[in-house]
Amino acid sequence: NAGVMQNPRHLVRRRGQEARLRCSPMKGHSHVYWYRQLPEEGLKFMVYLQKENIIDESGMPKERFSAEFPKEGPSILRIQQVVRGDSAAYFCASSANPTGTLNTEAFFGQGTRLTVV
Amino acid sequence: SQKIEQNSEALNIQEGKTATLTCNYTNYSPAYLQWYRQDPGRGPVFLLLIRENEKEKRKERLKVTFDTTLKQSLFHITASQPADSATYLCAHLNRDDKIIFGKGTRLHILP
Repeated sequence: NAGVMQNPRHLVRRRGQEARLRCSPMKGHSHVYWYRQLPEEGLKFMVYLQKENIIDESGMPKERFSAEFPKEGPSILRIQQVVRGDSAAYFCASSANPTGTLNTEAFFGQGTRLTVV
Repeated sequence: SQKIEQNSEALNIQEGKTATLTCNYTNYSPAYLQWYRQDPGRGPVFLLLIRENEKEKRKERLKVTFDTTLKQSLFHITASQPADSATYLCAHLNRDDKIIFGKGTRLHILP
């Protein structure tokens, strides 16, 4: 049973380009969370999705950022017109239930390190 | 607003001693707290969960306590080893099903 898979592990984009980060949750998991981590900072919540639904995107910037979790395929975090400040590690986590239900733990991927040059 | 804080950014402990990390929360009462380990360049890995009605939880050399009066959780690693060196994150679940993390404490076990 593979864990949470994120790709690419490293992504370099020039300012103004688009970045697409992919996350395949663990088998059987239908809840996906995206977090951003800056150097020396904690993990900041961005968005919580279930299959085909955005449940909570309160941590995501209103502009340039979007996320989806289609019925088939991985969850995608999309950043349009990237700027240097978008450089960070982006982590995806998945769980079998909402983490508030049954006190379910979340399983994290290895992250995608985005560098904007 | 709900806050979860880990007071120490970094902690150096001699090998063999017990490492104790602190997590404090304010403005709410979480039903449970979680502790994760994160190694450089890798994602967090779940270690332990403790519920508000549990005073203590153990797993091998790890022990977590939950003091609802002090609004604090302590994370202990006994007989620490250099391989325990990592960043340890405290986390809670807020009302909206989001896991909220503290900034973490970088633990260095000195040989």
